[in-house]
Amino acid sequence: GAVVSQHPSRVICKSGTSVKIECRSLDFQATTMFWYRQFPKQSLMLMATSNEGSKATYEQGVEKDKFLINHASLTLSTLTVTSAHPEDSSFYICSASTSLAGGLDTQYFGPGTRLTVL
Amino acid sequence: AQKVTQAQTEISVVEKEDVTLDCVYETRDTTYYLFWYKQPPSGELVFLIRRNSFDEQNEISGRYSWNFQKSTSSFNFTITASQVVDSAVYFCALRESNFGNEKLTFGTGTRLTIIP
Repeated sequence: GAVVSQHPSRVICKSGTSVKIECRSLDFQATTMFWYRQFPKQSLMLMATSNEGSKATYEQGVEKDKFLINHASLTLSTLTVTSAHPEDSSFYICSASTSLAGGLDTQYFGPGTRLTVL
Repeated sequence: AQKVTQAQTEISVVEKEDVTLDCVYETRDTTYYLFWYKQPPSGELVFLIRRNSFDEQNEISGRYSWNFQKSTSSFNFTITASQVVDSAVYFCALRESNFGNEKLTFGTGTRLTIIP
């Protein structure tokens, strides 16, 4: 159980194009999904938290117009990198969790998407 | 503000040796949650353990064990009889107890290399 998928696993695009990354919870409903960014040999940096049916909450310094997040259902969240530039090249990881009654659940992570912008 | 420190950036041990990965945390909350995740070369983070702040009992799962000590704000992870498949980056993470706030604060990770 608790499987999270991401698609695509790897994408190469030209500068100026937009890229959409999907994150799906396969065997559970995720009330909350998270998007992280990881640079080589560094830790995960939280970009935003998304709750189903509401606007995402972005961390300080993350441009919400550049990184569009949509959490349309309890099993799907998407991250769109708009007008991508080489500095956006990174490893993007999503996670999903469910809020159990009266408690907090564990985040399960997707396999990540490696974005390379030429 | 919460903070997680993994002072060991990289560790290399010979296969079958035991190895301990250190994790020290800072938080003002009295209730919080600690996690360990493994990130193998494939990139996917694998959940290993979650520990609540009010449960200081140490845990063992096969070759893995965790030592939680509130007095020193540490949550160390030991692998006994290490194997090459244990080679990965290991992250310790902390979450405070605010309901509706599930943000994880990650340490910088420890890259563990098991030498065959």
